[in-house]
Amino acid sequence: ETGVTQSPTHLIKTRGQQVTLRCSSQSGHNTVSWYQQALGQGPQFIFQYYREEENGRGNFPPRFSGLQFPNYSSELNVNALELDDSALYLCASSSGGSSYNSPLHFGNGTRLTVT
Amino acid sequence: AQTVTQSQPEMSVQEAETVTLSCTYDTSESDYYLFWYKQPPSRQMILVIRQEAYKQQNATENRFSVNFQKAAKSFSLKISDSQLGDAAMYFCAYRSAFSRTSYGKLTFGQGTILTVHP
Repeated sequence: ETGVTQSPTHLIKTRGQQVTLRCSSQSGHNTVSWYQQALGQGPQFIFQYYREEENGRGNFPPRFSGLQFPNYSSELNVNALELDDSALYLCASSSGGSSYNSPLHFGNGTRLTVT
Repeated sequence: AQTVTQSQPEMSVQEAETVTLSCTYDTSESDYYLFWYKQPPSRQMILVIRQEAYKQQNATENRFSVNFQKAAKSFSLKISDSQLGDAAMYFCAYRSAFSRTSYGKLTFGQGTILTVHP
């Protein structure tokens, strides 16, 4: 069983640029969610995708957007990067469509640094 | 909105001893799930243990157990026979059980750094 994989591992961008982070969900999982984790803090929910549609969103501005593909992999896009966007971005997948109680499985994250 | 509070920024324990990490939460919902996740320096969030709110029996997973007090909205994690590999940041998390939009949404606490001394 393949776990959740994220790419790239690390990324450095300049303020104002755009970035795309990628996530491959665990086999059999149709729900993907994204989290932002600032240094020393708990992860904050950005949004989730279920069967290619966004169906839940946290308190993040529209410049945070995403996609989910037919194979349930996902992208997180951030436009007009700000210094405060520097964080660890975690992707998690679950088989939410088949079980309310399916736990989230997380990837190793992408460390984004905005200078 | 739900909130999760971990009041212990740091905890330490001697190897082979027992340590308890605290977590409280606030919610108006009657059915939900609670989780403890471990995040080592490798950054991957690893599920340690989970509890369903409608189950009164406390969950256990080997050396890990919880003390779930629904009325007090408390969910503490006990680690017995602590090992060096238990050293990590531990997060308490809440998930609603009511809607499809809650499948992937966890509300996390601020975390507790656990140090294990040999």
